[in-house]
Amino acid sequence: NAGVTQTPKFQVLKTGQSMTLQCAQDMNHNSMYWYRQDPGMGLRLIYYSASEGTTDKGEVPNGYNVSRLNKREFSLRLESAAPSQTSVYFCASSGREGRYNQPQHFGDGTRLSIL
Amino acid sequence: DQQVKQNSPSLSVQEGRISILNCDYTNSMFDYFLWYKKYPAEGPTFLISISSIKDKNEDGRFTVFLNKSAKHLSLHIVPSQPGDSAVYFCAAEKTSYDKVIFGPGTSLSVIP
Repeated sequence: NAGVTQTPKFQVLKTGQSMTLQCAQDMNHNSMYWYRQDPGMGLRLIYYSASEGTTDKGEVPNGYNVSRLNKREFSLRLESAAPSQTSVYFCASSGREGRYNQPQHFGDGTRLSIL
Repeated sequence: DQQVKQNSPSLSVQEGRISILNCDYTNSMFDYFLWYKKYPAEGPTFLISISSIKDKNEDGRFTVFLNKSAKHLSLHIVPSQPGDSAVYFCAAEKTSYDKVIFGPGTSLSVIP
């Protein structure tokens, strides 16, 4: 099982360039998430999607857009990259048991540097 | 303002001894708590969780304790092994909500 797959693994951008980070899961999960990890800050939620066709803002949505293309795929777009968006980006997915969220499954991350 | 705090950025423990990682939260609405483990260049993986109706949950060498009145939880690893060296994230959520709030993490080093 692949679980959660993120592409690319590494990317270097110049300020002002645009980029889409891809994420796909094969676990038939309804919920998908995008996080960024910065030193001393833990994982901060950028956007999430509770089901196909819905998206909601997390803690740090500014400068990002997302698309829930179908149940499997959830992409994150930087329209005009800024150095402050240099980070490691993680995609995650989770299912539900009734009203309870199951623990999230994470991809291995995309390391993004913006010069 | 961080809703989930892990005040120790790092911890060093001798192999075979107990590792205790601490976590505090501020939002009394949280009712489900999780610990994730992360190795370098990999994504976090789920380790153990606890519901607010319990005060202890055990899974092999890992035990999580919850003190609701103090808004404090801890992860005990006994005995600690070198393979436990990783960053541990505490996380909290309110059941039926989709957001999970993560702490900043504690880097555990288990010395052989």
